[in-house]
Amino acid sequence: NAGVTQTPKFRILKIGQSMTLQCTQDMNHNYMYWYRQDPGMGLKLIYYSVGAGITDKGEVPNGYNVSRSTTEDFPLRLELAAPSQTSVYFCASKRRNGDTEAFFGQGTRLTVV
Amino acid sequence: DAKTTQPTSMDCAEGRAANLPCNHSTISGNEYVYWYRQIHSQGPQYIIHGLKNNETNEMASLIITEDRKSSTLILPHATLRDTAVYYCIVRTQGGSEKLVFGKGTKLTVNP
Repeated sequence: NAGVTQTPKFRILKIGQSMTLQCTQDMNHNYMYWYRQDPGMGLKLIYYSVGAGITDKGEVPNGYNVSRSTTEDFPLRLELAAPSQTSVYFCASKRRNGDTEAFFGQGTRLTVV
Repeated sequence: DAKTTQPTSMDCAEGRAANLPCNHSTISGNEYVYWYRQIHSQGPQYIIHGLKNNETNEMASLIITEDRKSSTLILPHATLRDTAVYYCIVRTQGGSEKLVFGKGTKLTVNP
């Protein structure tokens, strides 16, 4: 199992550009999450999904979009990048049932200039 | 899910036990206590969780008070590699699908 894989690992965007952060998991987990983490701060939930075709907003969804067309993939889209979106982005997945733990990817470090 | 309160930072000497407290005074009967940690720049990693009994695994021990209003994560012999931010989270099993993190405790293990 590769677990949760995020690509790219690093990216520099110009203001106004768009990009998609990719997240895929091979554990057949129903739940998937996107977080951002600003320097020296905790994780903030952007969006989450409880299964293919179902997504919902987290704490800080503005400026982002997500889709969940398959169980494995949960891409995060930035349409008009802004400097405030400079952050490290983490994707996570979790099995639906039971008191189970979440598994995290290694993160995408995004800089908007 | 109930809120949690943790100290902002703690220090521990290498080889000694690190005891990280978490207050969750509004916890309800079906809510679990989870601990994760995040080593610098990496994705968070699950450590342990429990409902009411104390739990132990290869990484740590979790002590939950009888009234369940607080808990302590114990790293029995802290090493420099245990320097990380430790997050305490309270969640209902099969309840809210959201997984929300607080600010956590920055543990520094000193040589």
